[in-house]
Amino acid sequence: NAGVMQNPRHLVRRRGQEARLRCSPMKGHSHVYWYRQLPEEGLKFMVYLQKENIIDESGMPKERFSAEFPKEGPSILRIQQVVRGDSAAYFCASAPFRDEQFFGPGTRLTVL
Amino acid sequence: AQSVTQLGSHVSVSEGALVLLRCNYSSSVPPYLFWYVQYPNQGLQLLLKYTSAATLVKGINGFEAEFKKSETSFHLTKPSAHMSDAAEYFCAVTSRVNAGNMLTFGGGTRLMVKP
Repeated sequence: NAGVMQNPRHLVRRRGQEARLRCSPMKGHSHVYWYRQLPEEGLKFMVYLQKENIIDESGMPKERFSAEFPKEGPSILRIQQVVRGDSAAYFCASAPFRDEQFFGPGTRLTVL
Repeated sequence: AQSVTQLGSHVSVSEGALVLLRCNYSSSVPPYLFWYVQYPNQGLQLLLKYTSAATLVKGINGFEAEFKKSETSFHLTKPSAHMSDAAEYFCAVTSRVNAGNMLTFGGGTRLMVKP
């Protein structure tokens, strides 16, 4: 059983561009979480999704950030008009129903 | 609301010495507690978890942690450090009442192991 997959592993964007981060959960997992890790900090919850539904987005910045988990395909975290402060590692985790979360390797976003 | 405090952002031990990483939590409901390890440029790997069963929890790589409700603590220990234990360690909390099960993390402790 493959683990949680994230791509790309590294992403470089210039200020004002869009960043798209993908997360493929483990087989059989229908719950996806996104966390952000700023340099020298712990992980902060951003959003929790189930298939075709955003369950909790209380950790998402109000502007420029959006997330989806379509019926088919990976979960996508989209950041529009990136700024330098968006530079961070973004981790996706998946879980079977209300159980242990399994983390992907992360996408490291650098905004120039 | 839940929160986690990890005392000591950096801990240095000698190889073979006891490892003690501190974690205190705050939760108004019975917590579930986790320790994760992160190696450089990698994701998080679960070391162990407490989910209201035994208060002394054994994990992988020789680590264990003890849940102490009276002290609101969940400190991570290992009797003898190995060089391969050098990494960043995160304590996290959630609860069954938290319908989404999202984790709240501490700031992390970087463990350095000296030869």
